[in-house]
Amino acid sequence: EDQVTQSPEALRLQEGESSSLNCSYTVSGLRGLFWYRQDPGKGPEFLFTLYSAGEEKEKERLKATLTKKESFLHITAPKPEDSATYLCAVQKYGGSQGNLIFGKGTKLSVKP
Amino acid sequence: ETGVTQSPTHLIKTRGQQVTLRCSSQSGHNTVSWYQQALGQGPQFIFQYYREEENGRGNFPPRFSGLQFPNYSSELNVNALELDDSALYLCASSFGPTFDAFFGQGTRLTVV
Repeated sequence: EDQVTQSPEALRLQEGESSSLNCSYTVSGLRGLFWYRQDPGKGPEFLFTLYSAGEEKEKERLKATLTKKESFLHITAPKPEDSATYLCAVQKYGGSQGNLIFGKGTKLSVKP
Repeated sequence: ETGVTQSPTHLIKTRGQQVTLRCSSQSGHNTVSWYQQALGQGPQFIFQYYREEENGRGNFPPRFSGLQFPNYSSELNVNALELDDSALYLCASSFGPTFDAFFGQGTRLTVV
């Protein structure tokens, strides 16, 4: 069964304290892995798409990496405005290609 | 360039009623996907429309139906509302079924 698992469920950091969020997946035929940021009561905001193992993408304090079984979202020197829920999703080849399979998310809190 | 817009932002309905949610896709996008997000969960795929045709459906009953119009805007209709239908309904648009999806702000539906 296709599955996306994110850990930890919640993460509290002090401002400037770097850390990583994990997304592990089991899908048959990965087409792409997506990271989104979601603020409370809002829609997810697109961050990155990764397509192949070894690929890395960066945006400001965020860097996403991909292996054959998992992805990491590294947050360097976070600020309070980085507080949000970070969602990971996978898209597979075949079937309903529009179907993004999401994890439950990691809720990040950054304290000043 | 306008982003994805959804209406209404909030809605309260009574069990057994019917509801229609609307989504305007981002300029240039021909694909719209709908997701349901329960509190504390990741979004779950309902269905996708590509060039006015349904292009895949998740594990939702037939009382969830949709339309896509020639301008690529879309509607989600839910009949015979149940209490468990209370959720944030998200619309995402993209250049095609396998392209990066960008979400609207969502419609918060409460069924009482």
